[in-house]
Amino acid sequence: EIVLTQSPGTLSLSPGERATLSCRASQSVTSRYLAWYQQKPGQAPRLLIYGASSRATGIPDRFSGSGSGTDFTLTISRLDPEDFAVYYCQQYAFSPSITFGQGTRLEI
Amino acid sequence: QVQLVESGGGVVQPGRSLRLSCAASGFTFSSYPMHWVRQVAGKGLEWVAVISYDGRVKFHADSVKGRFIISRDDSKNTLYLQMNSLREEDTAVYHCARDPFKGAPDYFDLWGRGTLVTVSA
Repeated sequence: EIVLTQSPGTLSLSPGERATLSCRASQSVTSRYLAWYQQKPGQAPRLLIYGASSRATGIPDRFSGSGSGTDFTLTISRLDPEDFAVYYCQQYAFSPSITFGQGTRLEI
Repeated sequence: QVQLVESGGGVVQPGRSLRLSCAASGFTFSSYPMHWVRQVAGKGLEWVAVISYDGRVKFHADSVKGRFIISRDDSKNTLYLQMNSLREEDTAVYHCARDPFKGAPDYFDLWGRGTLVTVSA
């Protein structure tokens, strides 16, 4: 099973700052089959990025994804107060064995 | 409105069964593979099962294989998860999620809020 390790566990920043979240895979994620989700308390996860760098419909362009192989990054260029949430990465290169990272909490 | 709404959760004793439902609306349900993903309180996400758009292909995570069964009824726009021989470690919020492509399981472009299953004596 491919293991995804996200870092940091918690990231404390202020609105307007830049956030950089990391997701490292235990094996190379072929074809960049990696997605990012945002989850707020009591809500369903929301798809942000798929294919490592493609923004989902309706996602602001301050969100961007990059990376390949075993190292991937989600960047939020200028934090909006609504961006403070938990973020998860997910690989689907080895489906049906789909796995998620443990999450990064982005707090004010 | 495009949405997924889960139901059927509750408190159940170890060894008992429960069936979850996920009602889809606002899109052509029969065109999409569907998944169940669970989340332990305060913890991360764990993929549970997937069913193809036509119901012919199903995969289950090793942690639930032989105990849980995913199914769908396209006439009712509803996804199901039959959970048998429940264990305390199955306690979680169960989300259903839509897969945008008909091929191999992918990412999830639509999620429900989930239904809480608590397995406790």
